[in-house]
Amino acid sequence: AQSVTQLGSHVSVSEGALVLLRCNYSSSVPPYLFWYVQYPNQGLQLLLKYTSAATLVKGINGFEAEFKKSETSFHLTKPSAHMSDAAEYFCAVSDPGGYQKVTFGTGTKLQVIP
Amino acid sequence: NAGVMQNPRHLVRRRGQEARLRCSPMKGHSHVYWYRQLPEEGLKFMVYLQKENIIDESGMPKERFSAEFPKEGPSILRIQQVVRGDSAAYFCASSPLQGKIDGYTFGSGTRLTVV
Repeated sequence: AQSVTQLGSHVSVSEGALVLLRCNYSSSVPPYLFWYVQYPNQGLQLLLKYTSAATLVKGINGFEAEFKKSETSFHLTKPSAHMSDAAEYFCAVSDPGGYQKVTFGTGTKLQVIP
Repeated sequence: NAGVMQNPRHLVRRRGQEARLRCSPMKGHSHVYWYRQLPEEGLKFMVYLQKENIIDESGMPKERFSAEFPKEGPSILRIQQVVRGDSAAYFCASSPLQGKIDGYTFGSGTRLTVV
């Protein structure tokens, strides 16, 4: 069974500082990996996805993530945090051979301090 | 091009009542997934449907919960005889043809409160 583990349920950064949200996956086959963002009282929005092409994936709002097979990681980064980045972020994994069932991590709430 | 539409956005039910949550997928999407988000928890998979078929209901509670995606109309998640523990946000997502991984498109959710 596939799973993802997000380290740190809450992360605080200063405005302008580097954002690093950690995600490690477990999968018996090369996975597809995703990051989603959820703003308060809203649904989830896809930030970026890794589907076995380039290992460094660029997404919306200046976010990017790097797939590292040796570390089974897919950490999300952004060079400079903005107040509008405050939200909850979910890492997710799916089996490319399956029917697209996606398994989500427990989420990381990002706080941006002015 | 409308996204995934869920209604109602908020639903309050008394214990023992029925809750019906509706989801209209994006145009061109024939796969629907329901997830439940409990406070301070991630999203838990409930059920995956295609038109007129339940493909995977491994995340559905055995009792009181059912889902359908009829040939015409939205997908419905039905919870009978609701209890306080059913209070959560229920999200619907849709995707295009199987095998095409583009990630899900999510609706804004229905927040169910059982009083």
